[in-house]
Amino acid sequence: QVQLQESGPGLVKPSQTLSLTCTVSGGSISSGSHYWSWIRQPAGKGLEWIGRIYTSGFTVDNPSLKSRVTISVDTSKNQFSLKLSAVTAADTAVYYCARDDRDSSGYWGGYFDYWGQGTLVTVSS
Amino acid sequence: EVVLTQSPGTLSLSPGERATLSCRASQSVSSSYIAWYQQKPGQAPRLLIYGASSRATGIPDRFSGGGSGTDFTLTISRLEPEDSAVYYCQQYGSSPKTFGQGTKVEIK
Repeated sequence: QVQLQESGPGLVKPSQTLSLTCTVSGGSISSGSHYWSWIRQPAGKGLEWIGRIYTSGFTVDNPSLKSRVTISVDTSKNQFSLKLSAVTAADTAVYYCARDDRDSSGYWGGYFDYWGQGTLVTVSS
Repeated sequence: EVVLTQSPGTLSLSPGERATLSCRASQSVSSSYIAWYQQKPGQAPRLLIYGASSRATGIPDRFSGGGSGTDFTLTISRLEPEDSAVYYCQQYGSSPKTFGQGTKVEIK
């Protein structure tokens, strides 16, 4: 059974960089059989796809985040990470990591079949 | 970007009743690349349906999906108390992948 777990600071100051890591267990990122994505959800609101990474390091992200996103992978630790720069209060949300289907659709990936429990990140001074 | 509009916003039904949730796309979703998720308070979303009509592993057969083009539906044939949740549709036919705003299903 694949499990994902987010970790990182729960509080980030405005203009700083949000950094989160997702640790995958029960499956190997380096197998190349899936993409790995980040998704966020502001309190009481809907879901927003942030971006995804493949084992090769190739990433695709959501243009709405205006190039503030960096997603990286460490296959030796079976982890992938998110950095979001120049954060504002609008970036306050629960951040989820998820396994992303690779066999359907295009290079941007597909649906999300396994999710982490989510971690709340608050942007505040 | 494909905008997904879900309706109704809230559905209040009794156990055993049938729930029909709608997801309308601003443009045609290629190859019916639509997924549906269930989210309960304080939990991560759970995949129910992918490819518009394929049930994910372990999902009861009272959940079914359908539709094509711009109009998709999630049907819960016989509501049970544990089906109380918010349901989201998602399209992955084009980038960026997008979600609808959700439909809340309340069980009376």
